Amino acid sequence: DAGITQSPRHKVTETGTPVTLRCHQTENHRYMYWYRQDPGHGLRLIHYSYGVKDTDKGEVSDGYSVSRSKTEDFLLTLESATSSQTSVYFCAISEESGYTFGSGTRLTVV
Amino acid sequence: KQEVTQIPAALSVPEGENLVLNCSFTDSAIYNLQWFRQDPGKGLTSLLLIQSSQREQTSGRLNASLDKSSGRSTLYIAASQPGDSATYLCAVRQGGSEKLVFGKGMKLTVNP
Repeated sequence: DAGITQSPRHKVTETGTPVTLRCHQTENHRYMYWYRQDPGHGLRLIHYSYGVKDTDKGEVSDGYSVSRSKTEDFLLTLESATSSQTSVYFCAISEESGYTFGSGTRLTVV
Repeated sequence: KQEVTQIPAALSVPEGENLVLNCSFTDSAIYNLQWFRQDPGKGLTSLLLIQSSQREQTSGRLNASLDKSSGRSTLYIAASQPGDSATYLCAVRQGGSEKLVFGKGMKLTVNP
């Protein structure tokens, strides 16, 4: 178990508000990722990090920002939530044995 | 751009059948391929990882094969059980990249 914890597990927020999702890992993995999962689209990469303060964009990064000030924490921020950002968000780490995913955060923007 | 396809999108079978799940990808320059299982409302559970230099991997009743040249992988499930009901996802990591590209998954239902 890669020891990945996502918080919160569920969140309902209003359009236009900022939202931050947290991913915490306990095993000092260098690479961390944020994906979103939507019906009909599957899992798509939002942002990823390859070290403290080192991040890069994925294929669906518009409207999202990330920060990694410590190895163990990778934060995903929705600057101003929109209904199109209603989704399930997964954090992941990668290691030699492949990717491991967290349990997900279900976000609803109303 | 790598594209990963899983066909069919859904499959319903009686218990006990041997199953083959298909995954195809457009760019053969992959680093590895990983199969996942996802139960409703849950996260992804890794089933098998095949490195680009390998032809197959086995874990219990599961066997995954990889044919890079044809851009295909198959996940074989022996003697299917109702507990195998889930969505199965195939994902490819491209050579020189840390990112996974996912297929849209195949929803499997095994009926008692």
